[in-house]
Amino acid sequence: AQSVSQHNHHVILSEAASLELGCNYSYGGTVNLFWYVQYPGQHLQLLLKYFSGDPLVKGIKGFEAEFIKSKFSFNLRKPSVQWSDTAEYFCAVGPGVEGGYNKLIFGAGTRLAVHP
Amino acid sequence: DGGITQSPKYLFRKEGQNVTLSCEQNLNHDAMYWYRQDPGQGLRLIYYSQIVNDFQKGDIAEGYSVSREKKESFPLTVTSAQKNPTAFYLCASSIGLSNSPLHFGNGTRLTVT
Repeated sequence: AQSVSQHNHHVILSEAASLELGCNYSYGGTVNLFWYVQYPGQHLQLLLKYFSGDPLVKGIKGFEAEFIKSKFSFNLRKPSVQWSDTAEYFCAVGPGVEGGYNKLIFGAGTRLAVHP
Repeated sequence: DGGITQSPKYLFRKEGQNVTLSCEQNLNHDAMYWYRQDPGQGLRLIYYSQIVNDFQKGDIAEGYSVSREKKESFPLTVTSAQKNPTAFYLCASSIGLSNSPLHFGNGTRLTVT
């Protein structure tokens, strides 16, 4: 069955700490990969995406994610977090070749709290 | 500013009543979606529409209905047949079905007692 697993439901960090949020998926065929973020009181927005090419993808606000095909993973990283990174982060996977957001599968989300 | 407006933010209903959640977008997007979010679970697709007057069932369509009479509007009705209607509902849109970012509304939290 197709699925997306985010390893940590809650993460608490101090400012300047490094961040890595895990995302593993089970999905047949070529995939498109996404990380979405929801800041408190705001709508979900795209953080970064991978469709093809360089497996290391850079997104907004200093975030990056690496697609490791052999591990079926798309982990999100940031070298030094800020208090403003406090948010909920969602990993999502969809079909690559056929595309189609109607076939997008979301992980359960990881709540990140950054303390000053 | 362009975006997606969902209203109301909070909605309370008695069991057995149908309720309609509003979703309006001014992004001129063709595709629109309804997702349901439950604690500890990812977003699950209820219905989607690629174009006006056309919509398709998602993964969890039972107990829900939609309409797409106008490009900018995609209301969701939660019917009394939905066994667990209490949830957070998110509306989204995109230019097409793929390769363009999904834009989300702020959501409606529905509580049915």
